[in-house]
Amino acid sequence: EIVMTQSPATLSVSPGERATLSCRASQSVSSNLAWYQQKPGQPPRLLIYGASTRATGIPARFSGSGSGTEFTLTISSLQSEDFAVYYCQQYNNWPPHTFGQGTKLEIK
Amino acid sequence: EVYLVESGGGLVQPGRSLRLSCAASGFTLDDYAMHWVRQAPGKGLEWVSGISWNSGSIGYADSVKGRFTISRDNAKNSLYLQMNSLRVEDTALYYCAKDIAVTPNWYFDLWGRGTLVTVSS
Repeated sequence: EIVMTQSPATLSVSPGERATLSCRASQSVSSNLAWYQQKPGQPPRLLIYGASTRATGIPARFSGSGSGTEFTLTISSLQSEDFAVYYCQQYNNWPPHTFGQGTKLEIK
Repeated sequence: EVYLVESGGGLVQPGRSLRLSCAASGFTLDDYAMHWVRQAPGKGLEWVSGISWNSGSIGYADSVKGRFTISRDNAKNSLYLQMNSLRVEDTALYYCAKDIAVTPNWYFDLWGRGTLVTVSS
């Protein structure tokens, strides 16, 4: 099973600043990585797939990069609605699909 | 509008069974693979099970293998999860999620709001 590790567990950033979230895979997942955003009381929402392709309706301030075992989600200028928990998910080896443990992005 | 609605959750004693359902609306279920993903209170996401469009390919997390069974009825536009021998650690919000393809080895572009399963004596 591929283990996904996200860092940091919590990230404190001020509105308008840049946020950088990391996700590491225990073995190569090529570019088969997705990012999801989850706000309290809501289901996850797909942000990025293929490591770097934004899903429909996702603002351009969200960008993904990386391949193999190291991936990054960057939010270029944080808006109030961006404060949430973010999860990465690999879909290179199935089953199982595996998620990272999440990064909580909070207001500084 | 496309959406998924889960149902069937509730409070159940350890060792008992429960069947979850997920109704799809606004799209044809048999065009896509489907999944169940759960989230224990205050915890992260855990994939539970996935099924291909025609039920020909099915997978389970090790934590539920042999106890849970995923199925679908495309004619009813519905997905199911039969959960037997429930344990306290199965307590979670169970989400139904739509894959982007017919095989269950991609990512999830639509999620329901979840149904809560609580296993307690």
